[in-house]
Order: sequence, then C-alpha cells, then structure tokens
Amino acid sequence: DAKTTQPNSMESNEEEPVHLPCNHSTISGTDYIHWYRQLPSQGPEYVIHGLTSNVNNRMASLAIAEDRKSSTLILHRATLRDAAVYYCILRGGGADGLTFGKGTHLIIQP
Amino acid sequence: DTGVSQDPRHKITKRGQNVTFRCDPISEHNRLYWYRQTLGQGPEFLTYFQNEAQLEKSRLLSDRFSAERPKGSFSTLEIQRTEQGDSAMYLCASSLGGSGYEQYFGPGTRLTVT
Repeated sequence: DAKTTQPNSMESNEEEPVHLPCNHSTISGTDYIHWYRQLPSQGPEYVIHGLTSNVNNRMASLAIAEDRKSSTLILHRATLRDAAVYYCILRGGGADGLTFGKGTHLIIQP
Repeated sequence: DTGVSQDPRHKITKRGQNVTFRCDPISEHNRLYWYRQTLGQGPEFLTYFQNEAQLEKSRLLSDRFSAERPKGSFSTLEIQRTEQGDSAMYLCASSLGGSGYEQYFGPGTRLTVT
C-alpha cells in the first residue's frame, strides 16, 4: 500500500467541525482512500472510504482533492466520543491487509 | 449482536506455552483478517483468508504462528512456544471483499506472556 502522512495530533472543541488532513502523493489510480478510527481499548472502527468523488455517510464526510494526492476527513460536529486515533489508509493492488500508520490523535475539549 | 466476535478477550500464559484464539466473523463476509497491535502502535497485518483459503501472510507471521479457517466460517490463530514479545492485542476483522470494501473489527484478544 502507498504511504500516507497525517499530523500526529489535533485538538478541537466539542460541537465544532473537525477537519483531519491526509497526504498521499504516491497514490495510484486504483487505490481507495479509507479512514478508520480507534477509541481507547477498542478495535478499529470503519469510518468512511472513497475513490475519486467526495463521500458522505452518517459518521463523517470525505473530501478528496482533484489530483487525489490529499484528502480530508470531516467530522461535522465533534463530540467527546469522537476522541480517538484516526487512520488514513490507501488500499489497492494485490495486498489486501490494511497498513496502519501512526494516525492522528484527535483530542476533543469540552 | 451480529458483529465480529473474538474469544477469549484476555489470555495470560507462561512463556513456552501454546495458545489459540478464535474469531467469528460477520456471517455473510467471505474475507477474514488477523492483525496484531502492540502498545502505542497501529495494528499490523498478519494474514487473511478468502473463504477457507489463506491467501496472504505477512513476514511478521513467524513459523510459530498458524491460522486456519475451516469451512470458511470461524478462524483460529495459534501461537506455539509463546515468547514475551508475543504479548499484544490480536485483532480479527472481516469484510465482503477487497480494497473497495470496509473491514469490520472485533474487540480483540489481549495476550500477556509472563
């Protein structure tokens, strides 16, 4: 899987939107962009994924740059339960397992 | 609960003992994955199955580790002659397909080797 780059940590206030960036300049045309999050003492949880177009679901939105070299996960209204490590992962090619990096540790202030 | 389940949730064993973990995936999912996570790190991929066939193994999966998925349903991960370095959270995930599909994770089995 191609490499992604994320900030180590971000801080936001409760009830405000959060924009989590991810750079993936070596993405290939068949790589999907996946986001997972992991709350303390739990297994990872799927958040959202996309290929080329922006995507929305009940948890979040995914904005993908036109050149696909970066993407942003948007949490529209953060709650304390959104405090977690967020992982941006590229999936494609022959390898099927997820390659987790260090992720972004999101801190939500009340 | 129709999610991924893992058993046991916690296992403490002495060095040199064998341990076996079980994973029950979401019933209609044909792909099943095993990962290992040590403290402060992201999960690391170990191996995956499509139905009963083990299609990929990471170089992290030493010859002391073996995984099976008989009949393409539940899976077991066995570690023989455990070492202290095997202490970690072992996570299982399942999905309907490959790169365009999401993976659903279980709660994990926490292994402590003393």
